[in-house]
Amino acid sequence: DADVTQTPRNRITKTGKRIMLECSQTKGHDRMYWYRQDPGLGLRLIYYSFDVKDINKGEISDGYSVSRQAQAKFSLSLESAIPNQTALYFCATSDSQQGRIPGGELFFGEGSRLTVL
Amino acid sequence: SQQGEEDPQALSIQEGENATMNCSYKTSINNLQWYRQNSGRGLVHLILIRSNEREKHSGRLRVTLDTSKKSSSLLITASRAADTASYFCATARSSNTGKLIFGQGTTLQVKP
Repeated sequence: DADVTQTPRNRITKTGKRIMLECSQTKGHDRMYWYRQDPGLGLRLIYYSFDVKDINKGEISDGYSVSRQAQAKFSLSLESAIPNQTALYFCATSDSQQGRIPGGELFFGEGSRLTVL
Repeated sequence: SQQGEEDPQALSIQEGENATMNCSYKTSINNLQWYRQNSGRGLVHLILIRSNEREKHSGRLRVTLDTSKKSSSLLITASRAADTASYFCATARSSNTGKLIFGQGTTLQVKP
């Protein structure tokens, strides 16, 4: 089983619909992240969470919200989806105690491809 | 704006040749990391170099870091067709080391 699991893997929806992307991890990491990937733009950070009670906005948080339901679960919501939110979304985790190196290695899920029509 | 800018955007080489990708960044960093992404898949961590390090090796990978120029390079030696992928640099800023900012990536094609 994958260490970082994203659901759904693919989703097509219509403008104005509410969408939730879910991420769960079995790595026991405290930090979780949501990124979106667009062709030619690399990965951009949407939200990140350093523990269950800590949620932070990233570079492009407008139009998105998140919930850290437990250490192992971090969900991303689009309250009213719009076409320019069509992208590949990645969840990632990291361990703040990893080798005592801050900003250590990220472990990624396989991605959730979202299409908003 | 993106912290990391990568060059070139695309690179095509023959199997056995070396591939060099460059990354420039804007602010002070704690460390810089390189990741690989096979088409449509999740990113996989390759190597991390700290701000006080100048060079690091891992198998056929060699990473250099020049903090005075705010740049890094990734060298893949003796490339293989299986190295075909996109490669991304990511920086952890000194002021917020828990947040990684990614560049746009370099797409590498290795022809057999």
